[in-house]
Amino acid sequence: GENVEQHPSTLSVQEGDSAVIKCTYSDSASNYFPWYKQELGKRPQLIIDIRSNVGEKKDQRIAVTLNKTAKHFSLHITETQPEDSAVYFCAANRGGADGLTFGKGTHLIIQP
Amino acid sequence: DAGVIQSPRHEVTEMGQEVTLRCKPISGHDYLFWYRQTMMRGLELLIYFNNNVPIDDSGMPEDRFSAKMPNASFSTLKIQPSEPRDSAVYFCASSKAARNTEAFFGQGTRLTVV
Repeated sequence: GENVEQHPSTLSVQEGDSAVIKCTYSDSASNYFPWYKQELGKRPQLIIDIRSNVGEKKDQRIAVTLNKTAKHFSLHITETQPEDSAVYFCAANRGGADGLTFGKGTHLIIQP
Repeated sequence: DAGVIQSPRHEVTEMGQEVTLRCKPISGHDYLFWYRQTMMRGLELLIYFNNNVPIDDSGMPEDRFSAKMPNASFSTLKIQPSEPRDSAVYFCASSKAARNTEAFFGQGTRLTVV
């Protein structure tokens, strides 16, 4: 089955700096890659997603890049703010099937 | 729409007892997913339904776990008998008919088995 690896597990950055979280996946048939943000005690919420027919997608301060050949994708957050502090999960659909395989999460800490 | 609604929010039960978790998906969503979240294993897909029919239950950990979706607006996840290692947050999520679209999560049920 699909395996998604996510790094780092914890990331601390100064407010205003950029943050990058990286993920790799194993099943080359996977074609949908969402990113979810989960605040403490809350539900995961989608912040951005990308499909395999594009290499990059941007939404204001958030961008995601996808390298299908290398089977990895990354989340980029620019001009980080205190409200960006949360756990971020990458995911991949399971070889194109329904349902998602999630990475283990990255705890992003924004230092004031 | 109120979003995906789960109940109860918190459940504490004794080992060996039956536990039933409930979920109401967003109206019009044809897919319903049950996930489990623990510190050790992260978010894991347990089972999902399409148009009320179970499609893939390969993530269900043991026969003690079962799930049903009797109609488009209601699903249950049952654990019988419960064990301490079942302690986790259980999320229900739903999505529209189109494949690979956003999954909307409920608030989750935090289950503690003592």
